[in-house]
Amino acid sequence: KQEVTQIPAALSVPEGENLVLNCSFTDSAIYNLQWFRQDPGKGLTSLLLIQSSQREQTSGRLNASLDKSSGRSTLYIAASQPGDSATYLCATPTGTASKLTFGTGTRLQVTL
Amino acid sequence: EAGVAQSPRYKIIEKRQSVAFWCNPISGHATLYWYQQILGQGPKLLIQFQNNGVVDDSQLPKDRFSAERLKGVDSTLKIQPAKLEDSAVYLCASSHPGTGNTEAFFGQGTRLTVV
Repeated sequence: KQEVTQIPAALSVPEGENLVLNCSFTDSAIYNLQWFRQDPGKGLTSLLLIQSSQREQTSGRLNASLDKSSGRSTLYIAASQPGDSATYLCATPTGTASKLTFGTGTRLQVTL
Repeated sequence: EAGVAQSPRYKIIEKRQSVAFWCNPISGHATLYWYQQILGQGPKLLIQFQNNGVVDDSQLPKDRFSAERLKGVDSTLKIQPAKLEDSAVYLCASSHPGTGNTEAFFGQGTRLTVV
């Protein structure tokens, strides 16, 4: 059974800092890994999807990496802004049915 | 391209009442999911449809929850009767069919409060 863990559970950084969010998974036989952003009371916004054959994906100030052999993914946010404050979730499909197994998220606060 | 649409956005009901949520997936997406997200936790899959057939409902509390996807497009999720522990955000998502290698897109969710 796939288990996904995210550390830390919460993180507070001053504006302008670079930061890394961590995601680990127990079963390395994954198809892909997806990072989402969730604002309070809102749904999930897909940020990046890394296929199992890729090592990283970039979108603007975001860079996600994937190391299947060690069961880890990281989301790097460069030059953080207050608007980046949200909960960040990682998830990976389980089996051929493609349902997502989620971590519990990292709640990020970027302060002025 | 329109995203996944859900309604209502918020709902407050008393325990033992019934409630229904509606979802319209992205056009052309054959796979539709309903997830339950309890405060402070990651979303948990309740049911997955491929067109109008159920692929996975292993974590759906079938004594009180039901879902349908008529004509393989829109879907409704119903709870009857509701319990206090059903208070959560109910998220609908859709994706192209595949063997797990496809991106999932989520709606804004319905926040249910059972009092």
